[in-house]
Amino acid sequence: AQSVTQLDSQVPVFEEAPVELRCNYSSSVSVYLFWYVQYPNQGLQLLLKYLSGSTLVESINGFEAEFNKSQTSFHLRKPSVHISDTAEYFCAVSLPYSGSARQLTFGSGTQLTVLP
Amino acid sequence: NAGVTQTPKFQVLKTGQSMTLQCAQDMNHNSMYWYRQDPGMGLRLIYYSASEGTTDKGEVPNGYNVSRLNKREFSLRLESAAPSQTSVYFCASSGTDYGYTFGSGTRLTVV
Repeated sequence: AQSVTQLDSQVPVFEEAPVELRCNYSSSVSVYLFWYVQYPNQGLQLLLKYLSGSTLVESINGFEAEFNKSQTSFHLRKPSVHISDTAEYFCAVSLPYSGSARQLTFGSGTQLTVLP
Repeated sequence: NAGVTQTPKFQVLKTGQSMTLQCAQDMNHNSMYWYRQDPGMGLRLIYYSASEGTTDKGEVPNGYNVSRLNKREFSLRLESAAPSQTSVYFCASSGTDYGYTFGSGTRLTVV
């Protein structure tokens, strides 16, 4: 079975400062990795995903995550955050099955709060 | 807009009452899921349906039942609600691109 650990439950950071949200996973087989974002009172939205290929993946709003197989990590980074980035961020893994449901296993979430 | 629609958005139940949470998607996705979200625990899978006509238990299925009515609709039923089922429930669907689309959630309180 897979598991996901998000090392920080709360991350406060000042506006325009860099941020890193940490995610480690455990699996005996290769996995696909995802970051989702949840704004207050909304559902989750896909931020970025790693399936294969380049280990550095980017989102359209300036976030990036790097897959590190040796450290089993998929940390999320942004060089300069905005107030609007305040949200809860979830790391998730799934097995690369085809032809069946791809169950996601989620971490417990990291609340990012950007302070003015 | 295309997406996943959940109803109702809010519900208060008394212990022992029953209710059904409805979910419909219009993206022609094969797979659908029900998760519950509790503070500090992330999202936990209750049931999923890989395709029309199939359903399987997830991590926390006790106290719940599901029905995949057709390709579009996947409902979650609480037969006898308990306070431990107070949570936010999310329905999601997925296709071939490995990305889930989530509904906006149902906030359920059992008193």
